[in-house]
This record gives sequence, C-alpha cells and structure tokens, in this order.
Amino acid sequence: AQSVTQLDSQVPVFEEAPVELRCNYSSSVSVYLFWYVQYPNQGLQLLLKYLSGSTLVESINGFEAEFNKSQTSFHLRKPSVHISDTAEYFCAVRRMNRDDKIIFGKGTRLHILP
Amino acid sequence: EAGVAQSPRYKIIEKRQSVAFWCNPISGHATLYWYQQILGQGPKLLIQFQNNGVVDDSQLPKDRFSAERLKGVDSTLKIQPAKLEDSAVYLCASSLGFTFMNTEAFFGQGTRLTVV
Repeated sequence: AQSVTQLDSQVPVFEEAPVELRCNYSSSVSVYLFWYVQYPNQGLQLLLKYLSGSTLVESINGFEAEFNKSQTSFHLRKPSVHISDTAEYFCAVRRMNRDDKIIFGKGTRLHILP
Repeated sequence: EAGVAQSPRYKIIEKRQSVAFWCNPISGHATLYWYQQILGQGPKLLIQFQNNGVVDDSQLPKDRFSAERLKGVDSTLKIQPAKLEDSAVYLCASSLGFTFMNTEAFFGQGTRLTVV
C-alpha cells in the first residue's frame, strides 16, 4: 500500500521569501507523484506532477518539486512567494500505469505574512 | 472543455436526515471518484467507479452511504441517515480510465456538508 506524509500542517512565511513544503511517500511499487493546491472554498487543482524522466518538475506559477528516489521525497519549493499563494497544498501518489485511486497527504497550509 | 460539475455547493441538514450529492464528470472520463475531506485532513477515497462498475468501495461506510453511476456518466452519492461526523467537503473527481495517458484526476469544486 502507498502512503504520503506531510510533516508540516502549517507553514508561515513572509511575502517574497522562499518556501519549502515537505513531502515523503512510501510505496513498494513505482508511483506517480503530484502536488495539488486548494484555494479557499475551491476544489483541488493540479499544481505539478512527476511521471518519469527529469526529477525536477515545474509549474507555470513558479513552484517546482524534485523527486528524490533514495529519500522517497517530493518536496515543493518556490523561491519567492506572493499573497496569492495562500492555500492548502496536498502531496499525493498513485501507482504507475494503473487506474488507481490517488492517495493524499494531510495537507500543508501555506500562510503568507505581509 | 468543461470541468467536473458538482451540486449543490453547500448543504446544511439535521442529523438523521438524508442528503444526496450529484456529480457530472469530464466528458469521456471513464473513472469517477468520490472523496471525503474532513476539515484539517487530506481527501479520503470513498468509492471509485470504472464506467458503471465499482472498483473500490473499501472505505465507504455502507450502512449509511451509497453511490451509483447507473449509465456510466454522472453519479449520485447519498447519506442516510447523516451523523454529525459526516460534516465534510465531498469531492468528486474523474480521470480517463485505464490508458497510458491516464495520470492525474480532475476535481470538482466540492459540496460542503454541515450536519447539525
């Protein structure tokens, strides 16, 4: 079975400062890895995903995540955050090449301080 | 392309009442999921459909929850009778189904249920 651990339930950070949201996963088989974002009173939106190939993946709004197989991590980073990044961020996994459910972590609330 | 549609957006009911949620997935998506998201937690899968068949309902509380996808398109999730602990956001998602292009699921905006 797969599982996802997001150790930080909340991360406060000043505007324009860098941020890292941590994610570790556990799986005995190959997986796809995702970061979803949930803005207040909204559904989940895919931020970025790792399928294969380059271990560094980027989103259109400046976030990036790096797949580290040896550490079973997929941490999310942004060099300079904005107020508009205030949201909850969920790391998730799904077994590769299977029509499986997506398993989510508990989420990390990113709180941007002015 | 239209996204996943859910209704209603909000619902408040008293405990022991019944409630139903509706979901229309993205056109052509064979797989449909219902997730429950309790405040402060990540989404938890309740049930997964492949077309009109159930693939996974291992975490669905079957004594009170039921779901159907009769024609393999839209779906209804029902709770009867509701309990206080059912207060949550119910998210519907869809994906392409078993193809090599199938990687992520697309989510609707959710239905926020409050049981009082």
